Amino acid sequence: SQKIEQNSEALNIQEGKTATLTCNYTNYSPAYLQWYRQDPGRGPVFLLLIRENEKEKRKERLKVTFDTTLKQSLFHITASQPADSATYLCALTQGGSEKLVFGKGTKLTVNP
Amino acid sequence: NAGVMQNPRHLVRRRGQEARLRCSPMKGHSHVYWYRQLPEEGLKFMVYLQKENIIDESGMPKERFSAEFPKEGPSILRIQQVVRGDSAAYFCASSPSGSSRNEQFFGPGTRLTVL
Repeated sequence: SQKIEQNSEALNIQEGKTATLTCNYTNYSPAYLQWYRQDPGRGPVFLLLIRENEKEKRKERLKVTFDTTLKQSLFHITASQPADSATYLCALTQGGSEKLVFGKGTKLTVNP
Repeated sequence: NAGVMQNPRHLVRRRGQEARLRCSPMKGHSHVYWYRQLPEEGLKFMVYLQKENIIDESGMPKERFSAEFPKEGPSILRIQQVVRGDSAAYFCASSPSGSSRNEQFFGPGTRLTVL
């Protein structure tokens, strides 16, 4: 069966450290993988998109990697801040489809 | 440029009533997606629409649920004869085109509570 899994429901780290979140998928061949941030009571906000032929993408303190052999994406936040505390969602799209398939998310808490 | 707008933000219905959720996409966006988020669950795709057309409704329950995106006006997600299991947050997203390489812009959601 098809699965997209974020293997940590919750992650607590100290301010200034690097947060690393994992997204694994099974029985998908995603063309694109996206990461979103969701705060309580709000809709998801797009952060980064990476294509299947890209290994890495960066945006300010954020970095995403995409390994189609391992069927895994890693999402890193460097120099983390308490304001980075939120739930982070990975989502993929398959070729020919526009719908997003989401993982359940990882709730990140950055402690001051 | 206003973002995606959804109303109402909160909706309370009794079992058996109808719920109508509205979504106005971002200006210039003609592609609308509806997702449902149950408590402690991830976002689940329901339906994808372009103006006046349903493109993909593979995630929509076959009964009681319908969606439309008329030529004029917002997209509507309609739930007839609501049951307690319909209680969830319903999110609408829009994009400028139907390409999977595009990010989707989400609204704040409508939180439906069925009593």
